[in-house]
Amino acid sequence: DAGITQSPRHKVTETGTPVTLRCHQTENHRYMYWYRQDPGHGLRLIHYSYGVKDTDKGEVSDGYSVSRSKTEDFLLTLESATSSQTSVYFCAISKTTSGNHNEQFFGPGTRLTVL
Amino acid sequence: ILNVEQSPQSLHVQEGDSTNFTCSFPSSNFYALHWYRWETAKSPEALFVMTLNGDEKKKGRISATLNTKEGYSYLYIKGSQPEDSATYLCAFYLTGNQFYFGTGTSLTVIP
Repeated sequence: DAGITQSPRHKVTETGTPVTLRCHQTENHRYMYWYRQDPGHGLRLIHYSYGVKDTDKGEVSDGYSVSRSKTEDFLLTLESATSSQTSVYFCAISKTTSGNHNEQFFGPGTRLTVL
Repeated sequence: ILNVEQSPQSLHVQEGDSTNFTCSFPSSNFYALHWYRWETAKSPEALFVMTLNGDEKKKGRISATLNTKEGYSYLYIKGSQPEDSATYLCAFYLTGNQFYFGTGTSLTVIP
């Protein structure tokens, strides 16, 4: 358990509304990630962060923005939600384990439905 | 974008059967290959981290092998049980803390 929580866990919203998802971690890990999970696509990286105010785009960043003003929180914002952004969103952190490898640990996911 | 491919996309096996599936990844600039187990309605959980060519890892009835020169890893499950039903994801790891995931193999074990 890497102490990762996501909020909300479920959200239904309408097309065109802004939505913000929050990822919170309790262990001060430097790297945090936002993925979306869709059938037939596995996990696709939206954005990631390598420190406070340091973020970069992933594979599917269009339509999303992120912010990290504190080590423990990584926010994902959909400025104007579209139906194509209906998905399950996973937050993850990366930490070095006992074998000196970097491993990812995932939050519980947020199911977002855009009507 | 790096192409990480998994096959088959899904399979159904009978309880007690052994099975295996494949993860293919770029063989250049290899750093590490991760396997995850992902049960429905849960989060992915790490199974193995593999870094050396010829690596073989084992956890109970599940094992994995790695060939970095040809760019593939196999995951084996011996004597499948219904509780093994899950999606198995592989992820190719590059320096810079970026992980590139395959689309997963969905395994259903029929009692």
